Amino acid sequence: AQSVTQLGSHVSVSEGALVLLRCNYSSSVPPYLFWYVQYPNQGLQLLLKYTSAATLVKGINDFEAEFKKSKTSFHLTKPSAHMSDAAEYFCAVGGAGGGADGLTFGKGTHLIIQP
Amino acid sequence: DSGVTQTPKHLITATGQRVTLRCSPRSGDLSVYWYQQSLDQGLQFLIQYYNGEERAKGNILERFSAQQFPDLHSELNLSSLELGDSALYFCASSVGPGAGNTIYFGEGSWLTVV
Repeated sequence: AQSVTQLGSHVSVSEGALVLLRCNYSSSVPPYLFWYVQYPNQGLQLLLKYTSAATLVKGINDFEAEFKKSKTSFHLTKPSAHMSDAAEYFCAVGGAGGGADGLTFGKGTHLIIQP
Repeated sequence: DSGVTQTPKHLITATGQRVTLRCSPRSGDLSVYWYQQSLDQGLQFLIQYYNGEERAKGNILERFSAQQFPDLHSELNLSSLELGDSALYFCASSVGPGAGNTIYFGEGSWLTVV
């Protein structure tokens, strides 16, 4: 079975500061890993995904994430936070195919940007 | 805009009733997924269809059912509704099966059961 743990239900950073959202996963097969963002009253938008091509994945809006197999982590970072980054962020894991192709999501991290 | 269209956007209904949520996937996508988002359970995978056939089931209640039609749109039927079914229901789609495919989400259907 797969699972995702997001550390910190709320993260607060100052505008211009580094954003770090933590995600650890558990998977019995080589994982596909995703970060999605949900703005208020909107659907989920894909930020980036890891599919084993490269351990450092770059996404939209200057977000990136690094896959660390030894630590089973896939933390999301952004060098400089903007007010528009305030949203809910979800880490998700998908299997290697067969059975359920749906994603298993973490409980989400609410990112707060302080002016 | 993800290209996934869901209707209705908001729905209020009474306990015991039945509702149908509709989803049109992105053009060219053959796989459709349904998810439920609630405050206590978070985002839960319900069911997946691929090219008209059920491919995978997640935490879907027996009171819920879904189908994917030949034109690839999908419907999620929720019956004997309970207060606890109040949630945001997402439809999502991807080109093919397999978890490596990017899954695109619609904006969701808000269901309130009173």
